[in-house]
Amino acid sequence: ETGVTQSPTHLIKTRGQQVTLRCSSQSGHNTVSWYQQALGQGPQFIFQYYREEENGRGNFPPRFSGLQFPNYSSELNVNALELDDSALYLCASSLFPSSSGGAPSTDTQYFGPGTRLTVL
Amino acid sequence: AQKITQTQPGMFVQEKEAVTLDCTYDTSDPSYGLFWYKQPSSGEMIFLIYQGSYDQQNATEGRYSLNFQKARKSANLVISASQLGDSAMYFCAMREGWETSYDKVIFGPGTSLSVIP
Repeated sequence: ETGVTQSPTHLIKTRGQQVTLRCSSQSGHNTVSWYQQALGQGPQFIFQYYREEENGRGNFPPRFSGLQFPNYSSELNVNALELDDSALYLCASSLFPSSSGGAPSTDTQYFGPGTRLTVL
Repeated sequence: AQKITQTQPGMFVQEKEAVTLDCTYDTSDPSYGLFWYKQPSSGEMIFLIYQGSYDQQNATEGRYSLNFQKARKSANLVISASQLGDSAMYFCAMREGWETSYDKVIFGPGTSLSVIP
């Protein structure tokens, strides 16, 4: 079974630039969620992709956008980078909707190793 | 409003001892799931254990057990026989409800655990 992978591992950008982060989901999973984790904090939900469409979004501005491809892999794009965008970006894959029929899914989100983005 | 509270920013435990990491949550949804994740310094979030709100028994996974007290809305993680490799950040997380349109997991602020030889 192939786990969740992310690329690149590290990235340094300057303010105003654009960045694309990539995520390959675990085999058998159809959903990818993206999280931003600032230093010393818990991950914050950015959005989720299911069936190649955005399927839920956290409190992030439109300059955070994404894509999901037919093979369930995903990209996170951030435009007009700001210093506060410096963080660890985590993607997680899961199987959704719930296999337990209406109850909250017991299917766990499995995370990739993350991309550490530094904005100078 | 904070949905997941972890009141212990940092904890120390002696190797081979047991340790309890606290987590309280807030939800009005009768149906929810609770998770614990471990994050070593490398950054990867590692799934440890899951508890459903309707589960009758506390979840256990090897050295990890979840002390679920539904009325108190607490879901404490117990690690037995601590090992040096257990030193990491630990996050409590929650997924809410019935017929949610998307699969959103909310994380707490985390607890840093240090295991002392």
